[in-house]
Amino acid sequence: GENVEQHPSTLSVQEGDSAVIKCTYSDSASNYFPWYKQELGKRPQLIIDIRSNVGEKKDQRIAVTLNKTAKHFSLHITETQPEDSAVYFCAASRSSASKIIFGSGTRLSIRP
Amino acid sequence: GAGVSQSPSNKVTEKGKDVELRCDPISGHTALYWYRQSLGQGLEFLIYFQGNSAPDKSGLPSDRFSAERTGGSVSTLTIQRTQQEDSAVYLCASSPRTGRQETQYFGPGTRLLVL
Repeated sequence: GENVEQHPSTLSVQEGDSAVIKCTYSDSASNYFPWYKQELGKRPQLIIDIRSNVGEKKDQRIAVTLNKTAKHFSLHITETQPEDSAVYFCAASRSSASKIIFGSGTRLSIRP
Repeated sequence: GAGVSQSPSNKVTEKGKDVELRCDPISGHTALYWYRQSLGQGLEFLIYFQGNSAPDKSGLPSDRFSAERTGGSVSTLTIQRTQQEDSAVYLCASSPRTGRQETQYFGPGTRLLVL
């Protein structure tokens, strides 16, 4: 069945440095890739998404890249700040179905 | 406007009892999803609704789990004869429509503890 693998499971970076989280997916028909941020005890919230017709999308300090050939996509956070500390989930789905498959999550900690 | 709401926010029950979890989606959102999140784990897809019908029930873990949606709005997830392994946070999400993969907006979740 469909599967999304996410690495690393935990990530600690110095404030101001960059953080990169990587995901791979198995369903070659996937064409929508959202990223969610979940702070402790709170609900997941969408931070950025990308569709298969583009290779990169940027929103201020956050960017996502997609390599359809390799079936992997990555989240890049630059100039990290303490408020970036959270669990980040990648996900993948196809437009012909609504089921979204989530990765297992990355716990990001920003060291002051 | 109002976001996705869920009730109760917390539920403690005894093993073997039935529980009902409720989700109120954002008004006008035709698609509704249920997920389960165990402590420190990822999001496990359970079921989704398009209107009142459920095209995909593949994520329901067993026949003790069922869900319904009426009037294209409120949804109820029912767990019969609860087991300790059912303990988790149950999250509901809604989106304007399917097909174009519109953003899913999550509710605050119901934290279920089965003793």
